[in-house]
Amino acid sequence: DQQVKQNSPSLSVQEGRISILNCDYTNSMFDYFLWYKKYPAEGPTFLISISSIKDKNEDGRFTVFLNKSAKHLSLHIVPSQPGDSAVYFCAASASKGKLTFGTGTRLTIIP
Amino acid sequence: KAGVTQTPRYLIKTRGQQVTLSCSPISGHRSVSWYQQTPGQGLQFLFEYFSETQRNKGNFPGRFSGRQFSNSRSEMNVSTLELGDSALYLCASSLALHTGELFFGEGSRLTVL
Repeated sequence: DQQVKQNSPSLSVQEGRISILNCDYTNSMFDYFLWYKKYPAEGPTFLISISSIKDKNEDGRFTVFLNKSAKHLSLHIVPSQPGDSAVYFCAASASKGKLTFGTGTRLTIIP
Repeated sequence: KAGVTQTPRYLIKTRGQQVTLSCSPISGHRSVSWYQQTPGQGLQFLFEYFSETQRNKGNFPGRFSGRQFSNSRSEMNVSTLELGDSALYLCASSLALHTGELFFGEGSRLTVL
């Protein structure tokens, strides 16, 4: 049972445009959400997080939006840069416990 | 500050063999988690250790086991390897339990022939 779902395995975006990555979850106990970025042959690196008491968190070019009623979160990257090409994983936890990851979305930024 | 170190980075085994993977967490981090990454499955949680005790376990068969030492270093073992065990095994550390953010190593890529 996939509790965290990333329904788009891949996404291509023109450089300079906005990249929007989506993630849905089913477990209503999840209250802490994170996005990780992974380059080939490297481990995932933490990008940004959001607690369920907020609906938006921003860090530079990266913004995460949380819609609790829809059990949906999204990561916006503006403007997209070639170095953003990577696999992005959404993760969720209850009370900052064990992280449950989605299957990832491969983002390709086209120069 | 050194990151999470995993050894070996790559290894090839045959079915039926066993393998041990090692993880050294970031200095000062006391919690270590292990994940399996396979294409299309994302990162699947294996187990989590804190203070030499397994605190959480994922839905993997008993062939998968692990331990943590007093210096917080961790090992995981897979016995009686199957073809489906071929994957990238990722170790992550955090300061303590329930801190949210995990810091990952580069992984150990296991190929089972």
